[in-house]
Amino acid sequence: GAGVSQSPRYKVAKRGQDVALRCDPISGHVSLFWYQQALGQGPEFLTYFQNEAQLDKSGLPSDRFFAERPEGSVSTLKIQRTQQEDSAVYLCASSPRGGASKNIQYFGAGTRLSVL
Amino acid sequence: QQPVQSPQAVILREGEDAVINCSSSKALYSVHWYRQKHGEAPVFLMILLKGGEQKGHEKISASFNEKKQQSSLYLTASQLSYSGTYFCGTERPSTSYGKLTFGQGTILTVHP
Repeated sequence: GAGVSQSPRYKVAKRGQDVALRCDPISGHVSLFWYQQALGQGPEFLTYFQNEAQLDKSGLPSDRFFAERPEGSVSTLKIQRTQQEDSAVYLCASSPRGGASKNIQYFGAGTRLSVL
Repeated sequence: QQPVQSPQAVILREGEDAVINCSSSKALYSVHWYRQKHGEAPVFLMILLKGGEQKGHEKISASFNEKKQQSSLYLTASQLSYSGTYFCGTERPSTSYGKLTFGQGTILTVHP
């Protein structure tokens, strides 16, 4: 079956522009995670959704970052007034159960954001 | 707090074995191992659970020492396809939905 799909794969933005990154999780998956991966580093947690509810946004670095999942499937990560330090790969992961530990996460290939 | 992986990088010839370690200063509930190739999605390899349960790839094994909060990934008879960056992701008992904290990665290169 189809895996986690992210679009666009690459995004170049001028400093100060707003960007929107899309994640299509595996169909039927309840949980959805966003991670930020800097060059040469491991993924770093940003936010978590269970269906349409955003239950944890403790990893969002500033109020310029906003995520939504209005119908409990597709999710969008929006970054307003982008800055150079926002340059990174943004990964989305989904897992079949909600509110459960020991839950395997399935990752998308990510969106590489470059802010000039 | 981020788990610490060692070594940072390892170079092998095909057929050789490798061990990658992941250590945390905090109590862990589970450890997840992923492999990521350049520009691709991290791919799930193995999950190790408190109590000894394991689920994962049939050709890769791992261990989880709950007392020391350490996990090790064992790659035997390495193949060219094993090349990539390996990440451990740790889950703490305090989270109820599987939030993972990842290490900085171990770069594995397998040569013919």
